Amino acid sequence: DAKTTQPPSMDCAEGRAANLPCNHSTISGNEYVYWYRQIHSQGPQYIIHGLKNNETNEMASLIITEDRKSSTLILPHATLRDTAVYYCIVRVGSGGSNYKLTFGKGTLLTVNP
Amino acid sequence: GAGVSQSPSNKVTEKGKDVELRCDPISGHTALYWYRQRLGQGLEFLIYFQGNSAPDKSGLPSDRFSAERTGESVSTLTIQRTQQEDSAVYLCASSQQPGLEQFFGPGTRLTVL
Repeated sequence: DAKTTQPPSMDCAEGRAANLPCNHSTISGNEYVYWYRQIHSQGPQYIIHGLKNNETNEMASLIITEDRKSSTLILPHATLRDTAVYYCIVRVGSGGSNYKLTFGKGTLLTVNP
Repeated sequence: GAGVSQSPSNKVTEKGKDVELRCDPISGHTALYWYRQRLGQGLEFLIYFQGNSAPDKSGLPSDRFSAERTGESVSTLTIQRTQQEDSAVYLCASSQQPGLEQFFGPGTRLTVL
């Protein structure tokens, strides 16, 4: 997996948008950007992924820069339950043998009341 | 089922005993993964099953660890002669196809006394 860089921690006020950045300057053309999160004492949870277009689902939005060297995960209205470690990963999609998921240190997002 | 389930949720055992952990993947998911997560650490890949192909056991830390999967359904991870360093959360994940987003179970917290 290509290396990603994320800030170690961020704070956000409840109800406000949380914008989590990720740098992936060495991403290859066939690699997707994936986001997972892990709430304390729970298993990791898939959030969203994208290749080059911006993506949105019921959980979050993913904004990928035109050069694909960085991206931002947006939680539009953060709640206390969104407090978790957020992991940004770049990897190829289906096929091949690249199925082992590797997390870096991620960003600890703390949503404050 | 609605998601990946694992049992037991917690297991406390004595050093030297054998333990068996169970994972029920999402119905229809052909790929199944086992990971280990030590306290405060990232994911450690253990083993991967895909359909009827030979599993990738490259992550198993020793021959005390083994895993089985029946077709595309339940999987069991067995640890023989447990050691204190085996204490960790054991996570199971499944995906519709290899390399696609992985959906995790809640994990089994294993404590070896």
